[in-house]
Amino acid sequence: DIQMTQSPSLLSASVGDRVTLSCKASQNIYKYLNWYQQKLGEAPKLLIYYTNSLQTGIPSRFSGSGSGTDYTLTISSLQPEDVATYFCQQYNSWRALTFGSGTKLEIK
Amino acid sequence: QVQLKESGPGLVQPSQTLSLTCTVSGFSLTSNSVHWVRQPPGKGLEWVGAIWSGGSTDYNSALKSRLSISRDTSKSQVFLKMNSLQTEDTAIYFCTSALGDYWGQGVMVTVSS
Repeated sequence: DIQMTQSPSLLSASVGDRVTLSCKASQNIYKYLNWYQQKLGEAPKLLIYYTNSLQTGIPSRFSGSGSGTDYTLTISSLQPEDVATYFCQQYNSWRALTFGSGTKLEIK
Repeated sequence: QVQLKESGPGLVQPSQTLSLTCTVSGFSLTSNSVHWVRQPPGKGLEWVGAIWSGGSTDYNSALKSRLSISRDTSKSQVFLKMNSLQTEDTAIYFCTSALGDYWGQGVMVTVSS
């Protein structure tokens, strides 16, 4: 199975900061990568699909990039409502999906 | 409007079998796949398995020997059965659409005697 490694596990930043979260795959996943946001007590919400496509209704301050094994989620200007845990998920191996362990984002 | 809703027992005894149902609306199971994902308390997400639009299934290799996913297309329901439950199977179980754009609210399953 493809392993997904996210870093950092915990990130503390100030409102208005530009924030970058990383996700690394154990092999080339050809941009088949989703990003999810999960707030406490809620189901995950799809933010970005296929590395850089913004899901409908998601604010434009969220963006994704990457290729090969290395991917990033960027929040251009952190807002208080962005406090959540963020997960990446590969679907290149579509018969064995895997998630990263998550990055918990806090406001400093 | 696409909706998914999980249902099932909140408490299961160790070594027993878990049975969950995902009832979908707003899309056809013969045209779309449904996945199960679980999340132990305070931990990350784990893909459990999927049933594809044609009815075939795929399972997490770590759970495959204990897991079965099936469906009833006439009732728009997908079923998850997992046997030989252990405390490590305690988690919130979600059903999701294939693209991950729709999720149920999840059902908490506790394995305890």
